[in-house]
This record gives sequence, structure tokens and C-alpha cells, in this order.
Amino acid sequence: DQQVKQNSPSLSVQEGRISILNCDYTNSMFDYFLWYKKYPAEGPTFLISISSIKDKNEDGRFTVFLNKSAKHLSLHIVPSQPGDSAVYFCAASGVSGAGSYQLTFGKGTKLSVIP
Amino acid sequence: EAQVTQNPRYLITVTGKKLTVTCSQNMNHEYMSWYRQDPGLGLRQIYYSMNVEVTDKGDVPEGYKVSRKEKRNFPLILESPSPNQTSLYFCASSPRAPGSLTDTQYFGPGTRLTVL
Repeated sequence: DQQVKQNSPSLSVQEGRISILNCDYTNSMFDYFLWYKKYPAEGPTFLISISSIKDKNEDGRFTVFLNKSAKHLSLHIVPSQPGDSAVYFCAASGVSGAGSYQLTFGKGTKLSVIP
Repeated sequence: EAQVTQNPRYLITVTGKKLTVTCSQNMNHEYMSWYRQDPGLGLRQIYYSMNVEVTDKGDVPEGYKVSRKEKRNFPLILESPSPNQTSLYFCASSPRAPGSLTDTQYFGPGTRLTVL
């Protein structure tokens, strides 16, 4: 059962335009959400996060929106730059069945920003 | 420089030959974790450790062992590797376990393992 879903395996955007990456989750116990970016041959790196008590968090060109009622979050990148081309993972944090906090990742979305 | 290191970065081995992938962090982090990344499946957690001598299973622990004898090291052990363990492995660490005020996880560069 996939608890964090990124339904778009890939996305292509023109440089300067907005990139919108989407993520859905099923576990209502998740209370913290993160986005990681991964370049080829490197480990994922943290990008931005949001707590479940907020609906928006902004950091420069990156904004994450959270809609708790829809169990949906999105990452907006404005304006998109060629260096943003990478795989983006959505992750959610919450108590696992064993009673400890665990980070659950989506499958990732490959973003290509076309110059 | 604060970092998570993994060795080896690349490994080709044969079925049944025991191997260990080392992971070390120099940030005095309590929480460490192993993930595997497979095409179409994203990142899946194998094992994690809340602190020294405290380890627990993640989502896909079968065929793997870990140990946490020191805070900085968290080796991943494959006692009898099989071809379905061919994957890209990442070690990660964070100051504390993921939580509501979670610290972000720092990932190593990855180990690409091929089991023939």
C-alpha cells in the first residue's frame, strides 16, 4: 500500500515558467512533509518542508502548499531554471505501525527544465 | 565538512557472497537509516537506528542486517546476497528521528550494488 504517491513520473517545463510537482498521501497521521531533490550520481538533498499546521511555506523560488482536507501537497518552482532539472521526492513523516516516527517517500518525479 | 560517507560506491558481486556496505557520519547524529532506490519504486527504508545499539526494521528489511555499535557508523550487511538485492543504496542521518519538528536527513552519495 503506497502511502505517498507522486503520480507524474516526469514533467517538462520551459525555462522561466512555473513548475508544479504534486504529491498525494493517504495516511492522515502524517504531520510533516518534505521535498528532496536528487541529481544523478548523488544522494537526495533536502529542499523544503511544511508542518501540517501550516498550508504554505516559501523559500526563495520554492513554495510548498499543503491541503490537508484533500491530503495533497504541491511544490511550486518559480521561475524554473535549467539547474532545477532533477528528480524530486515527496516525503511524509509520521508514526509508523511500530509506534516510532518514520519517513515515507514517494516514487519521485523527474523534472526537466528546457532552456 | 559535514557529510555522510558510504563505501564502496560501486560493487559487483555474486549470489551468496557476504558483503558489507559501510556508512559513516561526522555530525554526531543520533538517527541513521538505510534506503534502497529502485526504478518505479522510489526510496524505500530498509532499517533505521534511533541511537547506539537501537535498530529497527523499515519497510523492506528482508535479506539485510545492520548494527550500530558506535554513533557514527551504521553498516549494512547482506549475509547471502541475491539478484533481487541489486539496487542503489543510500545511507542517511539526522540529529533526531523524523518527527513533527523533524530535522532533515542528510544522505550519502549512494552505493550501486549488482548481484549476479
